[in-house]
Amino acid sequence: QKEVEQDPGPLSVPEGAIVSLNCTYSNSAFQYFMWYRQYSRKGPELLMYTYSSGNKEDGRFTAQVDKSSKYISLFIRDSQPSDSATYLCAIDSGGGADGLTFGKGTHLIIQP
Amino acid sequence: DARVTQTPRHKVTEMGQEVTMRCQPILGHNTVFWYRQTMMQGLELLAYFRNRAPLDDSGMPKDRFSAEMPDATLATLKIQPSEPRDSAVYFCASGDSGREKLFFGSGTQLSVL
Repeated sequence: QKEVEQDPGPLSVPEGAIVSLNCTYSNSAFQYFMWYRQYSRKGPELLMYTYSSGNKEDGRFTAQVDKSSKYISLFIRDSQPSDSATYLCAIDSGGGADGLTFGKGTHLIIQP
Repeated sequence: DARVTQTPRHKVTEMGQEVTMRCQPILGHNTVFWYRQTMMQGLELLAYFRNRAPLDDSGMPKDRFSAEMPDATLATLKIQPSEPRDSAVYFCASGDSGREKLFFGSGTQLSVL
């Protein structure tokens, strides 16, 4: 079993829809949870970061962590065509930038 | 606007040739990472440095890959000899140790024919 599992998609939704992206992980030692967004031909960029179980909101984005189920989610409200990208979850056990484990990414397409 | 700079952006080479990729991390960052991204495997960590010292290169095929930081402003990843299976996008990222945010470069798209 891989440490981080993520559905590669593609996930295609109409503009304005609520998007739900998810990852599962196997190692209960993981403590820090991140979402990176990667546009085509670009490097990943950090979108959301959270430590504890529960929700963290930033504008149209909400990151949710359920440590008991080893399940993390990213919700995008009022999705826009500019949100079309690949979204990678990244999980860390040590609290620093060392040793991040990335999911393979979900390719999201927002249809105008 | 601080950014990680990678060169070249694209590289096409023939099997057996040496390939050198370069990275200029963000000034002041003390950790540097090399990742390889493919459709099949996603992002794989190849090597990382803290304060220019190599901490982990277990993800790298050591018979052909080498990573160095000759100084704080330059990290290099070399492949010698290159093979078609090395075709991928190679990313460099830098960060502050103890902080979680990694800044990625735009990558080097490598094609080995």
